Amino acid sequence: DGGITQSPKYLFRKEGQNVTLSCEQNLNHDAMYWYRQDPGQGLRLIYYSQIVNDFQKGDIAEGYSVSREKKESFPLTVTSAQKNPTAFYLCASSISHLAGDNQPQHFGDGTRLSIL
Amino acid sequence: SQQGEEDPQALSIQEGENATMNCSYKTSINNLQWYRQNSGRGLVHLILIRSNEREKHSGRLRVTLDTSKKSSSLLITASRAADTASYFCATALDNSYNFNKFYFGSGTKLNVKP
Repeated sequence: DGGITQSPKYLFRKEGQNVTLSCEQNLNHDAMYWYRQDPGQGLRLIYYSQIVNDFQKGDIAEGYSVSREKKESFPLTVTSAQKNPTAFYLCASSISHLAGDNQPQHFGDGTRLSIL
Repeated sequence: SQQGEEDPQALSIQEGENATMNCSYKTSINNLQWYRQNSGRGLVHLILIRSNEREKHSGRLRVTLDTSKKSSSLLITASRAADTASYFCATALDNSYNFNKFYFGSGTKLNVKP
């Protein structure tokens, strides 16, 4: 079945440590996204990528970094500069990066990151 | 901001009743989408309504869009315990050349009691 796989499901970060969250999709989608969700909140966009080898900052990119070396993969690194990283992180993809194409986003099941 | 806002924040009903949740937004949109999120899981796309559409149906779901009031509603008919989840609306800006960025509200938490 096609879909988006996020790993790990749970992740713990020590002070001063960088951690990387994995996101892989086999839907052949061009666009991929990373969101952060805090308890009782909506989703906030961290980074997005419209195509391979391209990515752009979203609304809350500080303390995060990404890469898009392969179409199917869009890993997110939470750096030590992110002082409040505890949250639920969601990866998504869509066929097209154009709003006019009216395409939905497909989501993975998330990674819950906590501070040790 | 463009962010959609759902209302109510929480809704508790009995199985078999209908559930209605609303979404308001601030600027012109290209389309509006509704998603469901079960606890601890990712979001699942339910339905998309374009700015030139007024109503759309999918199974037990009915979505309406009133662009003059900048609002949408999601109706779930004959609710089931399995419908218990959080429901989010997401708006895409009115610009076909714009990146496919969505603005999500904070959701309506629906509890359907058996």
